[in-house]
Amino acid sequence: AQKITQTQPGMFVQEKEAVTLDCTYDTSDQSYGLFWYKQPSSGEMIFLIYQGSYDEQNATEGRYSLNFQKARKSANLVISASQLGDSAMYFCAMCMTTDSWGKLQFGAGTQVVVTP
Amino acid sequence: DAGVIQSPRHEVTEMGQEVTLRCKPISGHNSLFWYRQTMMRGLELLIYFNNNVPIDDSGMPEDRFSAKMPNASFSTLKIQPSEPRDSAVYFCASSLTTREQFFGPGTRLTVL
Repeated sequence: AQKITQTQPGMFVQEKEAVTLDCTYDTSDQSYGLFWYKQPSSGEMIFLIYQGSYDEQNATEGRYSLNFQKARKSANLVISASQLGDSAMYFCAMCMTTDSWGKLQFGAGTQVVVTP
Repeated sequence: DAGVIQSPRHEVTEMGQEVTLRCKPISGHNSLFWYRQTMMRGLELLIYFNNNVPIDDSGMPEDRFSAKMPNASFSTLKIQPSEPRDSAVYFCASSLTTREQFFGPGTRLTVL
């Protein structure tokens, strides 16, 4: 069974600085996908970025980039130039793509607070 | 295009009552997922459907929970009878491929 670990329960970051959120995973499958979601205090789950295990390039979406290190089984999220609106809970998730269904297993999350 | 729609957004009920949560997935998406979020257990998958067919309901906590998807644009999650430990935020999500999954706003359920 796969497992997602987010070791940072919370962190503070200053506005305009970059922040890296750690995510490690454990799976014996070769085909899988990694996701990051943002959950602000309002509660909705916002999809940020996706990385497939066979994708050759690290995924990027605007200020978000995913530092994918397959051999180390890590998929860290990097947020560049933090903004006050980035304050939220961030979840890493994984799905197996071999079963074609895409069910997600989530980590415990990291609370990010951006300060002026 | 509208995102995933869930109703109600908030539900407060008394123990023993039946609760029905509703979800309308994004048009054209063929997979639908129900998740539950609690402080103790985090986000956990309850059940998911593909082309309206339930694929895996192993995450459903007990027989008091049931889910249906009568057509491609509607799904329900029912709890009967409800208990205080069912209090949580219930999310519905939909997808067309395994590279994306979009969540609804959630239903915050409180069982007194």
